[in-house]
Amino acid sequence: RKEVEQDPGPFNVPEGATVAFNCTYSNSASQSFFWYRQDCRKEPKLLMSVYSSGNEDGRFTAQLNRASQYISLLIRDSKLSDSATYLCVVNLGYSTLTFGKGTMLLVSP
Amino acid sequence: DVKVTQSSRYLVKRTGEKVFLECVQDMDHENMFWYRQDPGLGLRLIYFSYDVKMKEKGDIPEGYSVSREKKERFSLILESASTNQTSMYLCASSSGTGYSPLHFGNGTRLTVT
Repeated sequence: RKEVEQDPGPFNVPEGATVAFNCTYSNSASQSFFWYRQDCRKEPKLLMSVYSSGNEDGRFTAQLNRASQYISLLIRDSKLSDSATYLCVVNLGYSTLTFGKGTMLLVSP
Repeated sequence: DVKVTQSSRYLVKRTGEKVFLECVQDMDHENMFWYRQDPGLGLRLIYFSYDVKMKEKGDIPEGYSVSREKKERFSLILESASTNQTSMYLCASSSGTGYSPLHFGNGTRLTVT
């Protein structure tokens, strides 16, 4: 089983739609979790950390389910500028991070 | 804001050349990393460092070495470049807790011909 799995997509959605991505991880000892955004031919940029109680940043909501070992990212009211690849990252601690291969989102007018 | 700077955005080298990729961060971070990213394979860790003069192998260290003589600088060295090392190379840094997110440089796209 892969350590961090994501649906590669692409997810094609119209502007204004709500879209959700899931990510599953295999190591129950994982300590911290992040979502990154990566534009084409650019570096990954931290979108948000994921906290146990769930957290929100504007149109973005992240959730963690430790029992089922998955994290999710919900994007509301999608914008054209949200088109990117979203990477799920799991940290075992001591800077042992594992990246998913990413989910591509395409938002169309 | 954390700034991680990679010395070159694009680089073209010949097979067999020794290649140096430089990375500098300005946030006094203890941890620094080198990744490569290839289509379909995602990000793969080459080497990382917890402190000056310390280095640890990642998942794919073969054909690479690193140097960390100063806290802010982490260099990746391709001892004898090969065509299968054509890739996007990403440097990153993080603070010392080990649970912190990574901050990436803008990448070096290396082509080995």
